[in-house]
Amino acid sequence: DQQVKQNSPSLSVQEGRISILNCDYTNSMFDYFLWYKKYPAEGPTFLISISSIKDKNEDGRFTVFLNKSAKHLSLHIVPSQPGDSAVYFCAASTSGTYKYIFGTGTRLKVLA
Amino acid sequence: DGGITQSPKYLFRKEGQNVTLSCEQNLNHDAMYWYRQDPGQGLRLIYYSQIVNDFQKGDIAEGYSVSREKKESFPLTVTSAQKNPTAFYLCASSTGILNNYGYTFGSGTRLTVV
Repeated sequence: DQQVKQNSPSLSVQEGRISILNCDYTNSMFDYFLWYKKYPAEGPTFLISISSIKDKNEDGRFTVFLNKSAKHLSLHIVPSQPGDSAVYFCAASTSGTYKYIFGTGTRLKVLA
Repeated sequence: DGGITQSPKYLFRKEGQNVTLSCEQNLNHDAMYWYRQDPGQGLRLIYYSQIVNDFQKGDIAEGYSVSREKKESFPLTVTSAQKNPTAFYLCASSTGILNNYGYTFGSGTRLTVV
């Protein structure tokens, strides 16, 4: 049972435009959510996070939105740059646990 | 610089052999994790350890073993019982209290069975 789902395996966006990556979850107990960015043959690196007490968190070009009623979060990248081309994973956890559940990833390609 | 180091980067194993993947961290993190990445399946948790001399099975522990004798080290052994070991293996660590920063990951080991 996949508790965290990223239904779009890939996404292509023109440089300078907005990239929107989506993530859905099924466990209503999740209260921390993170986005990681991963280049080939490297480990994921932390990008941005949000806790369930918020519905939006911004860090520079990156904004994460959380819709708890829909069990949905999204990552917006504005403006998109070629260096943003990577695989993006969303991850979710529940307070008091020691582990995150990861989605399957979305491969973003930003076209110059 | 503090970080988490995985070695080797590439590893080839003959069928029937056990192999051990190394993971070392100097971040003073209490918790360490092993994940496996397969195409289209995201990251799946193999084992995790919250403190020294203690570890728990993750979602896909069969065919794997770990030890946590030192805080800094969490080696993963892929045994001959693992039916499909070819994958990209990621080690991670955290402070042990989940916070807004999640895990620090190593750069991974790609294991290929030949």
